[in-house]
Amino acid sequence: AQSVTQLGSHVSVSEGALVLLRCNYSSSVPPYLFWYVQYPNQGLQLLLKYTSAATLVKGINGFEAEFKKSETSFHLTKPSAHMSDAAEYFCAVSDRGGGSQGNLIFGKGTKLSVKP
Amino acid sequence: NAGVMQNPRHLVRRRGQEARLRCSPMKGHSHVYWYRQLPEEGLKFMVYLQKENIIDESGMPKERFSAEFPKEGPSILRIQQVVRGDSAAYFCASSPLPGGASTDTQYFGPGTRLTVL
Repeated sequence: AQSVTQLGSHVSVSEGALVLLRCNYSSSVPPYLFWYVQYPNQGLQLLLKYTSAATLVKGINGFEAEFKKSETSFHLTKPSAHMSDAAEYFCAVSDRGGGSQGNLIFGKGTKLSVKP
Repeated sequence: NAGVMQNPRHLVRRRGQEARLRCSPMKGHSHVYWYRQLPEEGLKFMVYLQKENIIDESGMPKERFSAEFPKEGPSILRIQQVVRGDSAAYFCASSPLPGGASTDTQYFGPGTRLTVL
């Protein structure tokens, strides 16, 4: 069965500093992996996805993530944090083993705070 | 191209009442997913539907909850006899037909926040 673990429920960085949000997955099939961002009282917006092509995936707003099979990781990074990056970030894996298109299995989320 | 639409955005019900949550997928999308987000938790899958068919309801509670996606109109998530534990944000997502672009990507609506008094 697929699962996702996000290390750190809260991460705080200074504006301009590196952002690193950690995600480890478990999957019995080759995984499809996603990062979503949720701003307060809003829905989820797709940041980026990995679907077995390039292992380094670039997304919107300057974010990128690297798929590392040996480490079962898909950490999200951004070189320089901006105040507008403050939000909650969810890592998800697609459950594609059930014959359906696959529902998403989410981690518990990491709240990112950006200090001026 | 309008995104996924959900209404109402906020819904307040008293214990024992019924809650109906609506979701209109993006244009051209025929797959709908419902997720529930409890406070301080990630989203949990509830049900996956195509037009007039429930494909996967493995995440749905066995009682009081039902979902439909009729040939015409929005998808409906229905909760009968609500209890305080049903208070949560309910998100709908949609994705395109199989074989189309980005079929593995789900696009989320803004959610309906249900409060049970």
